[in-house]
Amino acid sequence: SAVISQKPSRDICQRGTSLTIQCQVDSQVTMMFWYRQQPGQSLTLIATANQGSEATYESGFVIDKFPISRPNLTFSTLTVSNMSPEDSSIYLCSVGFRQSTEAFFGQGTRLTVV
Amino acid sequence: AQTVTQSQPEMSVQEAETVTLSCTYDTSENNYYLFWYKQPPSRQMILVIRQEAYKQQNATENRFSVNFQKAAKSFSLKISDSQLGDTAMYFCAFGGNKLVFGAGTILRVKS
Repeated sequence: SAVISQKPSRDICQRGTSLTIQCQVDSQVTMMFWYRQQPGQSLTLIATANQGSEATYESGFVIDKFPISRPNLTFSTLTVSNMSPEDSSIYLCSVGFRQSTEAFFGQGTRLTVV
Repeated sequence: AQTVTQSQPEMSVQEAETVTLSCTYDTSENNYYLFWYKQPPSRQMILVIRQEAYKQQNATENRFSVNFQKAAKSFSLKISDSQLGDTAMYFCAFGGNKLVFGAGTILRVKS
């Protein structure tokens, strides 16, 4: 299993600014992912965070808007850039091990853009 | 591309009774995994149960069981002896480490 610490847990930001969300895992993991959960909606995968290389983005998400870093096997960041009210969502970090099919989730970051 | 459909936006059940949440999916893959996740108001995603597609036997975890119909691409969740703590959003999901989620079903357990 994995214990995931996601920071901040919530934030209120001004439009046009950027916010960086951190995801720290208590063990080395094979895979790390970032999801977005818009208000009252389901989870949508933003990207797979790749260690030491550029993230792999899903359709509809681009690096300029959601730059992602993953410098090692236990840490990743997601930045939400040039924010607008439409970016108000919960952002969740998820991790997995190659030998397991279970995904573990952080508690999410509730972002409100005003 | 895989899709997951949950047709019940909201469900209610009396405490101690049984409720079934529906899920259908679409995929061209033959080997895959299906999951039910629970998301209480705390936002924490909690794995409820997992089913491996190559296993015909339905998965069971205490009060939670699934009815997996591979040919029909159906994967329903049955919660027996419902408890107040079962109140949450329930997501059906397809995949493995990387997941495709359904829209979710809000389950309210009433006392």
